[in-house]
Amino acid sequence: QKEVEQNSGPLSVPEGAIASLNCTYSDRGSQSFFWYRQYSGKSPELIMSIYSNGDKEDGRFTAQLNKASQYVSLLIRDSQPSDSATYLCAVPFSGGYNKLIFGAGTRLAVHP
Amino acid sequence: EPEVTQTPSHQVTQMGQEVILRCVPISNHLYFYWYRQILGQKVEFLVSFYNNEISEKSEIFDDQFSVERPDGSNFTLKIRSTKLEDSAMYFCASSDRVGDNEQFFGPGTRLTVL
Repeated sequence: QKEVEQNSGPLSVPEGAIASLNCTYSDRGSQSFFWYRQYSGKSPELIMSIYSNGDKEDGRFTAQLNKASQYVSLLIRDSQPSDSATYLCAVPFSGGYNKLIFGAGTRLAVHP
Repeated sequence: EPEVTQTPSHQVTQMGQEVILRCVPISNHLYFYWYRQILGQKVEFLVSFYNNEISEKSEIFDDQFSVERPDGSNFTLKIRSTKLEDSAMYFCASSDRVGDNEQFFGPGTRLTVL
């Protein structure tokens, strides 16, 4: 059974702080990893993808991947109240047409 | 910026009725997906579609479900005889390749079965 695990939160951080979101996955064959942001009642919005070990930065977002530990994380610098949402980690299932396996998501609350 | 669109945004139906959910994927994309999300639960894969046929389906995608690409732009999900437990958000997604597989999601259809 392919699993993606995330802490459900809520993760509460003050405005301007760094939010750190974590995800572990069970499929050692996975090669690509995605972070989606989902506002309440809305659809998942792709915000980061990462394929290689190490860090990938895009604006205030940094994704970190460690395939040996089967761990991927998302850092949000200078958190804003508008970042308050649920962050979904998604990993394609390596055995087929890359259906995405989603974690349950971590709810982030950024308070002023 | 190209985006996936879905109609209707909200569908209310009686148990046992058929519903068709419609999606227009991003125009140059070749891989299409349906996912669903029951309120408060994970996003779950239903089916993937490529080259006019189903490439993979989940256990949820039983004989009550079908998908079709009736023309060059639309991608539909049909539920033949809806059950109460089919109430969920249904998301269509598309991707231009299967390797890196960045999938872009539509806004979803909220299906309510009474």
